Amino acid sequence: AQKITQTQPGMFVQEKEAVTLDCTYDTSDQSYGLFWYKQPSSGEMIFLIYQGSYDEQNATEGRYSLNFQKARKSANLVISASQLGDSAMYFCAGGSNYKLTFGKGTLLTVNP
Amino acid sequence: NAGVMQNPRHLVRRRGQEARLRCSPMKGHSHVYWYRQLPEEGLKFMVYLQKENIIDESGMPKERFSAEFPKEGPSILRIQQVVRGDSAAYFCASSPLAGASWNEQFFGPGTRLTVL
Repeated sequence: AQKITQTQPGMFVQEKEAVTLDCTYDTSDQSYGLFWYKQPSSGEMIFLIYQGSYDEQNATEGRYSLNFQKARKSANLVISASQLGDSAMYFCAGGSNYKLTFGKGTLLTVNP
Repeated sequence: NAGVMQNPRHLVRRRGQEARLRCSPMKGHSHVYWYRQLPEEGLKFMVYLQKENIIDESGMPKERFSAEFPKEGPSILRIQQVVRGDSAAYFCASSPLAGASWNEQFFGPGTRLTVL
């Protein structure tokens, strides 16, 4: 079973700056995946990025990158060049089978 | 290709009534997962179904909750005799394969249940 910890209830960032959202995980599984989802105020869950435990390179998707440090069991999300539309809840999730475990989320506010 | 569809998007029930939440997976997907999001929380796994089979219901409350995924039609999450604590957002996800393709769960927009 996975445990996902997000220690930042809320974060603020200035528009156009980069921001890092923290995520640590705990698992005894050898093979697992880590995900980040965005949940805007409208409520839907938007998939952002995925990292497999055996992937040697950090995942990147446009302005999103995942800073994966396996030894430290961390999977931080980096958003570059923040935009006002990035203001939302961000959830880190992990799983080694079909069952995803989610953290409690970080509320990101982008200031103009 | 339409995404995962859930209806209704918003559902209001009085205590003691029944709530039925529907989920139509993406075309070609035969695996469905239900998650619940309580206020101020992340999503929590409830149940995993394939057509006509419940594979894992370890996250389902023991009473009042049931789920099905019939051969034809959408998956249904049913909550009998709802209580205020059932108020939450219920998300459905689907995938084309189980196990090795767990990284391909696609989420629907959710159903927000409010119990008065």
